[in-house]
Amino acid sequence: NAGVTQTPKFQVLKTGQSMTLQCAQDMNHNSMYWYRQDPGMGLRLIYYSASEGTTDKGEVPNGYNVSRLNKREFSLRLESAAPSQTSVYFCASSSRTSGRRETQYFGPGTRLLVL
Amino acid sequence: SQQGEEDPQALSIQEGENATMNCSYKTSINNLQWYRQNSGRGLVHLILIRSNEREKHSGRLRVTLDTSKKSSSLLITASRAADTASYFCGFGTGNQFYFGTGTSLTVIP
Repeated sequence: NAGVTQTPKFQVLKTGQSMTLQCAQDMNHNSMYWYRQDPGMGLRLIYYSASEGTTDKGEVPNGYNVSRLNKREFSLRLESAAPSQTSVYFCASSSRTSGRRETQYFGPGTRLLVL
Repeated sequence: SQQGEEDPQALSIQEGENATMNCSYKTSINNLQWYRQNSGRGLVHLILIRSNEREKHSGRLRVTLDTSKKSSSLLITASRAADTASYFCGFGTGNQFYFGTGTSLTVIP
């Protein structure tokens, strides 16, 4: 099992460009998450999907959109990248679908630099 | 606003010593989890303690939870150089999930 995979591993964008970060899990988990990690801020939840077909905003959703393509895949899209979106992005998944957040399994991260 | 904070921000100890890090949070929680992150990698789950538990052990890890003080602590006993990493507490409230700011632990061989 590969666990949680993310692509790309690193990306450089110019301000205003768009891109999609891909995430897939092979653990048959219902819930998937997107976080960003900035120095001194810990991880902050951008969007999550409690189950296939549903998505909800997290703490910092502005400037992002998500798609839960199927049970395995959860993508994060930046429509018009801004320098403030320079960060490391992590995808995670867990088995629970309710408000209880059980153990989350993380991907290796995507490092995004917006110039 | 930051929902969780950890202290100390950084901790440097000798191999074999114990390491203690603390997490404080602002909301009511269902459970609290501790994660570890090696440099340049994703987070790895260490241990989960439920809101009705006060203490939990897993190998060299001991976690305590005081819901009245909205705080938790992680103790790593007999530390090893391989324990060098950042440690984060994570907790859920409602449909949101938050992480603390992290403690960077360095274990000197």
